[in-house]
Amino acid sequence: KAGVTQTPRYLIKTRGQQVTLSCSPISGHRSVSWYQQTPGQGLQFLFEYFSETQRNKGNFPGRFSGRQFSNSRSEMNVSTLELGDSALYLCASSLGQRGNTDTQYFGPGTRLTVL
Amino acid sequence: AQTVTQSQPEMSVQEAETVTLSCTYDTSESNYYLFWYKQPPSRQMILVIRQEAYKQQNATENRFSVNFQKAAKSFSLKISDSQLGDTAMYFCAFRRAGNMLTFGGGTRLMVKP
Repeated sequence: KAGVTQTPRYLIKTRGQQVTLSCSPISGHRSVSWYQQTPGQGLQFLFEYFSETQRNKGNFPGRFSGRQFSNSRSEMNVSTLELGDSALYLCASSLGQRGNTDTQYFGPGTRLTVL
Repeated sequence: AQTVTQSQPEMSVQEAETVTLSCTYDTSESNYYLFWYKQPPSRQMILVIRQEAYKQQNATENRFSVNFQKAAKSFSLKISDSQLGDTAMYFCAFRRAGNMLTFGGGTRLMVKP
C-alpha cells in the first residue's frame, strides 16, 4: 500500500497570502488529522476529518480550516498568513475507528515558510 | 486537558548499548493509548510502539520495549542494541477515545559509532 502523501513538500508565501495544503491518506483510511510542528510549540493538533466531517478540532484560530472529500483526501487552508505560521504541517491518516488502537500514520509533511 | 512531558531534550548512546527515554503524562482518563513515534532527520514520522492502557503487559517490538507504569503515569521507551539508524527525534504521544494525539516535546537521540 502506498503511504500518506502530502503536496507540496515545500512552500514559500508572504504575509497576508493564503495557502492550501493537500493530503492523500492510505487507501482505506477514512480519518485524516492535521498537525503543526514548530521548534517553539512542538507538535500541535489542528483538526481531524472523518467521512467528510470535522470530528475534532484543536485550539487554532479560524484562519486555519480544512475539508475532506468523498475519496478521503483532505486539504487544509490557512488564510491571511502570519510569520508565526511558518511550520512543518503534518498529515496523518488512520482507519478512524474510535475506541480501539487506531494508529495514525504520518505523511512526510509540507514545510511552509512565511516571509 | 492531557499533558505529556519528556524530561530529556537530548540523549546520546554508544552503538550496541541500551538507552531508555522517559515520558510522563497527566490524565484523569482510565482508557487511553500511548505511543512512541520516531522522526529521523528530514524524514517522516513513523510509529515505533504502542500500548493500550488497559493492558498490564508491556509492549515489545523487536529491539524496542516500553515500561508502562499506569499508577505513576509513566511510559518509558527502552532501545536495546542501539543502531546508527536509531538516531532521531523520539516523541511520546497520548490518545484517549477520539483521534487526537497529544505529543511530548521530544527527545533527540544520537547514536554514536
